[in-house]
Amino acid sequence: NAGVTQTPKFQVLKTGQSMTLQCAQDMNHNSMYWYRQDPGMGLRLIYYSASEGTTDKGEVPNGYNVSRLNKREFSLRLESAAPSQTSVYFCASSETNYANTGELFFGEGSRLTVL
Amino acid sequence: EDKVVQSPLSLVVHEGDTVTLNCSYEVTNFRSLLWYKQEKKAPTFLFMLTSSGIEKKSGRLSSILDKKELFSILNITATQTGDSAIYLCAVATRDDKIIFGKGTRLHILP
Repeated sequence: NAGVTQTPKFQVLKTGQSMTLQCAQDMNHNSMYWYRQDPGMGLRLIYYSASEGTTDKGEVPNGYNVSRLNKREFSLRLESAAPSQTSVYFCASSETNYANTGELFFGEGSRLTVL
Repeated sequence: EDKVVQSPLSLVVHEGDTVTLNCSYEVTNFRSLLWYKQEKKAPTFLFMLTSSGIEKKSGRLSSILDKKELFSILNITATQTGDSAIYLCAVATRDDKIIFGKGTRLHILP
């Protein structure tokens, strides 16, 4: 079982470059999420998608765009990377029906450094 | 603005001690409160709480929710060095947004 797969695991960018973080889940979950984690800051929600075809801003959306390509895939794009976007990024998914445990299933994380 | 506040942010105790971690929240359309443990990589799920006053237990860990006072506690009894981790509290809303607090970094001394 792959669960949630995100790529790449590591990336170094120069200021102003663009890149896309890819995320795919094979659990048929409706909801998908992108978080960033910085030291001492917990997990901050960037964007989420409650279902295929919908996306919503989270706590820190500025400088990011997302695409819910289909039910499986949810990508995060940095159009013009800035050093402040250096972070560890986690993709997660969840099933949001009455029977679910509320568990977020996380990918392994992507460490992004912007020079 | 929805927010989740955890305290303390950092805690150091000796093996065998009991610890209580706190989580308070202010969100619209509350659905559930979640606790996670994070060691080196991605967080791992501990508990989901939806009803006030019902304790969830798993081994030495337990948690309870107070929806009137908008807080939850996570207790760990007879702590072990393997309990050293960041403990994250999160709140899920009815529109499926899930936001986290800053976490409590717990260090257990042998």
